[in-house]
Amino acid sequence: EDQVTQSPEALRLQEGESSSLNCSYTVSGLRGLFWYRQDPGKGPEFLFTLYSAGEEKEKERLKATLTKKESFLHITAPKPEDSATYLCAVQVILLNDYKLSFGAGTTVTVRA
Amino acid sequence: DTEVTQTPKHLVMGMTNKKSLKCEQHMGHRAMYWYKQKAKKPPELMFVYSYEKLSINESVPSRFSPECPNSSLLNLHLHALQPEDSALYLCASSGGQGIKTQYFGPGTRLLVL
Repeated sequence: EDQVTQSPEALRLQEGESSSLNCSYTVSGLRGLFWYRQDPGKGPEFLFTLYSAGEEKEKERLKATLTKKESFLHITAPKPEDSATYLCAVQVILLNDYKLSFGAGTTVTVRA
Repeated sequence: DTEVTQTPKHLVMGMTNKKSLKCEQHMGHRAMYWYKQKAKKPPELMFVYSYEKLSINESVPSRFSPECPNSSLLNLHLHALQPEDSALYLCASSGGQGIKTQYFGPGTRLLVL
């Protein structure tokens, strides 16, 4: 059965204190891993798509990496505006189409 | 432009009401999705439309009725909902082939009284 597990559930950081979020997955044939950021009461905002092991992508203070079993989202020198829930999802086959299987998310709080 | 729009932003309805949620995208995407999200939980897939045809229904109760009038629009018709249906309803769209990055709308916050 396809599974996506994110850790930790919550992360409290001081401004400037770098850290990493983990997303481990068990899927039969990865067809893309996605990272989203979600603010309370709003829709998920797309951050990155990773396709194959060894791939890395960066955007401002965020960097996503992918191995055969997990992905990391590194937050470098975070600012309070980086506070959000970060969702990881993998694309899995369902019937003749695809769906996203989400992890439970990591809620990041950055204190000034 | 990766914008998906949803209306209304907020909706309060009684259990006997009929209402509709609307979603629109102009990215030329051929797949559109409805999700339900409860507080502190990830989005939960409800329906997938691919090339304007319903391709996935995740065993959603019949009080939720999706409709895809054309490739840019997606509706969700609501009737006889229960208080436990209160949630954030999200629409998303993606390209039609291969690895599909889904872009989400801002959501409709629904409260059923």
